[in-house]
Amino acid sequence: GENVEQHPSTLSVQEGDSAVIKCTYSDSASNYFPWYKQELGKGPQLIIDIRSNVGEKKDQRIAVTLNKTAKHFSLHITETQPEDSAVYFCAASKGGYQKVTFGTGTKLQVIP
Amino acid sequence: GEEVAQTPKHLVRGEGQKAKLYCAPIKGHSYVFWYQQVLKNEFKFLISFQNENVFDETGMPKERFSAKCLPNSPCSLEIQATKLEDSAVYFCASSQSGGGVTEAFFGQGTRLTVV
Repeated sequence: GENVEQHPSTLSVQEGDSAVIKCTYSDSASNYFPWYKQELGKGPQLIIDIRSNVGEKKDQRIAVTLNKTAKHFSLHITETQPEDSAVYFCAASKGGYQKVTFGTGTKLQVIP
Repeated sequence: GEEVAQTPKHLVRGEGQKAKLYCAPIKGHSYVFWYQQVLKNEFKFLISFQNENVFDETGMPKERFSAKCLPNSPCSLEIQATKLEDSAVYFCASSQSGGGVTEAFFGQGTRLTVV
C-alpha cells in the first residue's frame, strides 16, 4: 500500500519567516496530494491540494510543489503568522474518491 | 448541513463495552470516510461508503468494528467489546460526487476513551 513520509516532525519559525514541510510517497499510482491543517481539538482542514498533472500551485501565502519523478511534494508557507501555528499533514490518494494516506504530521510553531 | 456533524464529541467506555459513533455528512455528499487518529497524530483509514454501499473496507478490523450508512439516517461506526487500544479520535469525512472532485471535508471528531 501507499506510504507517506513527512519531515520535519516539529518546526519553529519566527513570525514573518518562511516554513517548508517535505513529504515523499511510495505509490506511483497516487495522483492527488492534499495538505491539511489541524488545530487542537479540531478535524483536519484542507488548505491546498495538487494533482499529478501540475507541478506547482499557489494560493496567497501557501504554495505546494510536486516532483512526480522523485515522488516528492512540499508545502511552503511564506510570511508566517502566529495563527499558522498548528499541525500540518500531507497526504496522497489515487483520486476518484479513494482513501487518503496521511503523513505523520508537522507541528509548526510561529513565534511572535 | 454545510458541515460534517459528528456525535458525540466525547465518549467514555469501560473495556468490553460497546461504543457507537455517528456522522452526518454534508448534504448532497455521496462519499463518507472513517479515519482513526491515535496518539502521535497517526491517521488510519477504516472504511468508506458510496451512499449506503461499502466502497472500501480494507482498513476495518473486521472482528469488532462495523459501520453502516443507511438512507435518511446518520452513518454509524460501532465497536463491540472495546479494548484499551481503541482509544483514539475517530474522524468522519465526506465528499461530493461528480466532476472528479475528491476534496474531503472532515468533522470535528469523536474522542473515544476506553478505561
